[in-house]
Amino acid sequence: DTEVTQTPKHLVMGMTNKKSLKCEQHMGHRAMYWYKQKAKKPPELMFVYSYEKLSINESVPSRFSPECPNSSLLNLHLHALQPEDSALYLCASSLPRTGESYEQYFGPGTRLTVT
Amino acid sequence: SQQGEEDPQALSIQEGENATMNCSYKTSINNLQWYRQNSGRGLVHLILIRSNEREKHSGRLRVTLDTSKKSSSLLITASRAADTASYFCATAHTGGFKTIFGAGTRLFVKA
Repeated sequence: DTEVTQTPKHLVMGMTNKKSLKCEQHMGHRAMYWYKQKAKKPPELMFVYSYEKLSINESVPSRFSPECPNSSLLNLHLHALQPEDSALYLCASSLPRTGESYEQYFGPGTRLTVT
Repeated sequence: SQQGEEDPQALSIQEGENATMNCSYKTSINNLQWYRQNSGRGLVHLILIRSNEREKHSGRLRVTLDTSKKSSSLLITASRAADTASYFCATAHTGGFKTIFGAGTRLFVKA
């Protein structure tokens, strides 16, 4: 199984809502990533978890809160978002190894619209 | 600024022609990867080339790496309409986890 799944596919939320994005993989990967991608732009790294510990936080606003409850699951909790946070949110996973990157497997993304 | 800059930004070719995309980066790397993204979907890993490699092939893909010029190129031979997508180079830092994507090349292959 080389699939990364993400739910929901689409999400519309108001600025006062609280919602969560979910990502799951069963490839035994111990590194998991969240990216944000605006239209016609490359993905921008937000967070990286390695062995369920937060390894990288790219100075992301606190209204985005990641969580890695176990080695297969990655969540992104959203609260008090702004309209400019509307984007495609991509989850990825890979084998972890320091000093060298491995290929990342991406999920299909969650299209988020903040109204 | 982004690590990887790509050119051209957009490329339109006829089916059967070759497509070449270039990527430049700024700092030293362990490896460079290329990904494809169909419109509004997840990225798919195409090929990885290590810093001690100069050229690598995978099917219709040929990647070159010039570490002295800090640049890489992706060649797709005998293109097909299904190759229509955005192509990104990516470099990794901070122990391999911090991945930075180039601006991307949007390829359109006309049938």
